[in-house]
Amino acid sequence: QVQLQESGPGLVKPSETLSLTCTVSGDSISSSNYFWGWIRQPPGKGLEWIGSVSYSGTTYSNPSLKSRVTISVDTSRTRFSLKLTSVTAADTAVYYCARRPPGFGMDVWGQGTMVTVSS
Amino acid sequence: DIQMTQSPSTLSASVGDRVTITCRASQSISSWLAWYQQKPGKAPKLLIYKASNLQSGVPSRFSGSGSGTEFTLTITSLQPDDFATYYCHQYISYSEGFTFGPGTKVDFK
Repeated sequence: QVQLQESGPGLVKPSETLSLTCTVSGDSISSSNYFWGWIRQPPGKGLEWIGSVSYSGTTYSNPSLKSRVTISVDTSRTRFSLKLTSVTAADTAVYYCARRPPGFGMDVWGQGTMVTVSS
Repeated sequence: DIQMTQSPSTLSASVGDRVTITCRASQSISSWLAWYQQKPGKAPKLLIYKASNLQSGVPSRFSGSGSGTEFTLTITSLQPDDFATYYCHQYISYSEGFTFGPGTKVDFK
């Protein structure tokens, strides 16, 4: 059974870069025909799609965040990462990673990790 | 950008009630819509994909319908475990960007 786990710093200073990793267990990012993505949720608010990477390594990102977002796949093919540059307090949120089979919604989610942007 | 709206934003209901949540897209998304349930402190859970397909393991009291710009999620007989927030999510294309609706909170009447 595939499981996803987010990891990374819980506190980031304004203007710095937020870096998170999602570790995939029970599957390989490149062995299956899936998309792997990042979604965030500010405290008390709704969900926002940040971006995704395909099984072949093609990346996609939210147009509103595109200039600040980098998503990449680790050479081990069992982890993928998110980098969000020039963060502000508005980037404070729970960050989730998730899997999406083609044609489906996001069917497997990590538990989420809270990231606070503060000096 | 494709904008998603949901109504109502909050719905007060009782166990056994039939509940309907509406989601509208600002332009046609065909049937590329999913519904999720989220409980406090937990990740969202996929309920419905491609507008009307029940995700494996999801109780049959949940159903989805619609296409184009208007969609509904129906719970035929609300159970205690169903009190949660529900989100719709369009995924027609990565170039358009994926977007979620603002959510509908189902709470106790």
